[in-house]
Amino acid sequence: GNSVTQMEGPVTLSEEAFLTINCTYTATGYPSLFWYVQYPGEGLQLLLKATKADDKGSNKGFEATYRKETTSFHLEKGSVQVSDSAVYFCALHGSNQFYFGTGTSLTVIP
Amino acid sequence: DADVTQTPRNRITKTGKRIMLECSQTKGHDRMYWYRQDPGLGLRLIYYSFDVKDINKGEISDGYSVSRQAQAKFSLSLESAIPNQTALYFCATSETSGRAGTGELFFGEGSRLTVL
Repeated sequence: GNSVTQMEGPVTLSEEAFLTINCTYTATGYPSLFWYVQYPGEGLQLLLKATKADDKGSNKGFEATYRKETTSFHLEKGSVQVSDSAVYFCALHGSNQFYFGTGTSLTVIP
Repeated sequence: DADVTQTPRNRITKTGKRIMLECSQTKGHDRMYWYRQDPGLGLRLIYYSFDVKDINKGEISDGYSVSRQAQAKFSLSLESAIPNQTALYFCATSETSGRAGTGELFFGEGSRLTVL
């Protein structure tokens, strides 16, 4: 079946630090992969996506590469800002369904 | 105005009461979803609908029911609320994907429900 596993938080970083949030998946077929972000008090919004192996999604300085050989889609950012504080969800779309990880809370301190 | 609108945004109710959460969308999408978010559990799918005449149970449908009144409207009901239904509820929409696996979800801002 389809599932997503992402690293547990919470994660606390200083401003300008490097960020990695790990995400691995199991899937049948050829899923699309997503990272969604949830800012405090808001709904989830798409951060980036990749629809096939070796694709790199990027947005707002965040990147993630669809690695079929390691079934991973790790989120990275070279220099985080206080405004990046949010909960990040890795997600998979396959078999006409969406599957979410449990979310990773990130707090960036000045 | 938001593309996906949920009402109410916050609700406190008592055990045994009937509650309806409403969702409307202006994106013109056929597919609509109700999710529940709990700390440490992520998002779990309650019900989904791929068009007006199509309703499907998700991972955690027990204790919930839905109605798809029109393409743009999808409501979630708790017939007899209980405290462990206290959670943040999200409605979402997506396009009908031409190829499976390309869809993106668009979320409402959430409805926080507290059952005492």
